[in-house]
Amino acid sequence: AQTVTQSQPEMSVQEAETVTLSCTYDTSENNYYLFWYKQPPSRQMILVIRQEAYKQQNATENRFSVNFQKAAKSFSLKISDSQLGDTAMYFCAFMKMVDNYGQNFVFGPGTRLSVLP
Amino acid sequence: SQTIHQWPATLVQPVGSPLSLECTVEGTSNPNLYWYRQAAGRGLQLLFYSVGIGQISSEVPQNLSASRPQDRQFILSSKKLLLSDSGFYLCAWSPGARGDTQYFGPGTRLTVL
Repeated sequence: AQTVTQSQPEMSVQEAETVTLSCTYDTSENNYYLFWYKQPPSRQMILVIRQEAYKQQNATENRFSVNFQKAAKSFSLKISDSQLGDTAMYFCAFMKMVDNYGQNFVFGPGTRLSVLP
Repeated sequence: SQTIHQWPATLVQPVGSPLSLECTVEGTSNPNLYWYRQAAGRGLQLLFYSVGIGQISSEVPQNLSASRPQDRQFILSSKKLLLSDSGFYLCAWSPGARGDTQYFGPGTRLTVL
């Protein structure tokens, strides 16, 4: 079974600084997808960034980028120029296809990020 | 554009009472649908997923059941709630094709007393 580990339960960063959240996963699959979601105090789950395992190029979305190391099974999220609105729980997620139609999502336990003014 | 709704937003129920949470998706057809539970300060646990009307897969055996009576409607039910059923319930949908992202609804906060 796949597992996702986020070793940092809580982190903090000063506004405008850069922070990196770590994520490791365990799988025997070769084709899969990785995601970072954020959950602000409103508890709405919001997609931050998505990475296909077959792509070597790291995904980037504005201030958010990932460092995907497939051999090491590592998928860290870097937030540049942190803003107060980035304060949230961040979940790393692994996804593989099931029966050609379904999707098996496994979420990590989350990292609570606080951006300090 | 696609939107996903959950109803109700908040619910307080006594132990032993029934439960029905509803999730509906607009703006798409044949979505994959998912129910998750999130305990306080914890990650997400997949409860059920559905790839079509009447097709339900259960990930964790427990006091809950799910049904999909219509293409874009997903219902989470219980005949008798337990204290341990308290939590935040999230519904999600995806287009179902390979690599598609899951999009989440606003959630239902359930408190069982």
